[in-house]
Amino acid sequence: QSVLTQPPSVSATPGQKLTISCSGSSSNIGNNFVSWFQQLPGTAPKLLIYDNNKRPPGIPDRFSGSKSGTSATLVITGLQTGDEADYYCGAWDSSLTAVLFGGGTKLTVL
Amino acid sequence: QVQLQESGPGLVKPSETLSLTCGVSGYPISLGHYWGWIRQPPGKGLEWIGSIYYGGRSYYNPSLKSRVTISVETSKNQLSLELSSVTAADTAVYYCARTLGIAAGMEAFDIWGQGTMVSVSA
Repeated sequence: QSVLTQPPSVSATPGQKLTISCSGSSSNIGNNFVSWFQQLPGTAPKLLIYDNNKRPPGIPDRFSGSKSGTSATLVITGLQTGDEADYYCGAWDSSLTAVLFGGGTKLTVL
Repeated sequence: QVQLQESGPGLVKPSETLSLTCGVSGYPISLGHYWGWIRQPPGKGLEWIGSIYYGGRSYYNPSLKSRVTISVETSKNQLSLELSSVTAADTAVYYCARTLGIAAGMEAFDIWGQGTMVSVSA
């Protein structure tokens, strides 16, 4: 069981807006940055969001991130079938001095 | 273009030591980033193993700390992972990755290797 909690699965239809939550505590999300990763089937994870809400070069602005208190949210707008993937949140935990990942959320685009 | 490539045995016997290397091309490993190892058991989520700065400062997953050693060889521009006393639970795809930069979060892995599958079996 992960310290960062994500819903196991979410689904939506093409064109819709979708949110994925990531819940933690004051020792991780509450006082540190959050990153989000996309993992397409059979591939390595890809950084989508870092420092809570920044996008690396090449990541479309359909992907956005936010943080409030001890929770973070990934928002995907204009869903595409190509967005079907597993999504993971990650954060540093100051008490454990460790990187934590959420359990992952499987996105299905119907 | 920065590229990371994991290499090592695909099969390790129980109780033995798993050893992997990660060759880095297109970027000096000593240029101010943390470098890490992450693994993913078949059908499961990501698990951070540990991260190291070229100067030697390292952090390890508390649940693996007693069995893990991560090192950097700047002359070869590579990092290494050793995991001792392996069991079937250590069967996973092992990834090496680079963090965005010293000012970014330790979890902000922006460049990943393709991963290498390691099975633990007699």
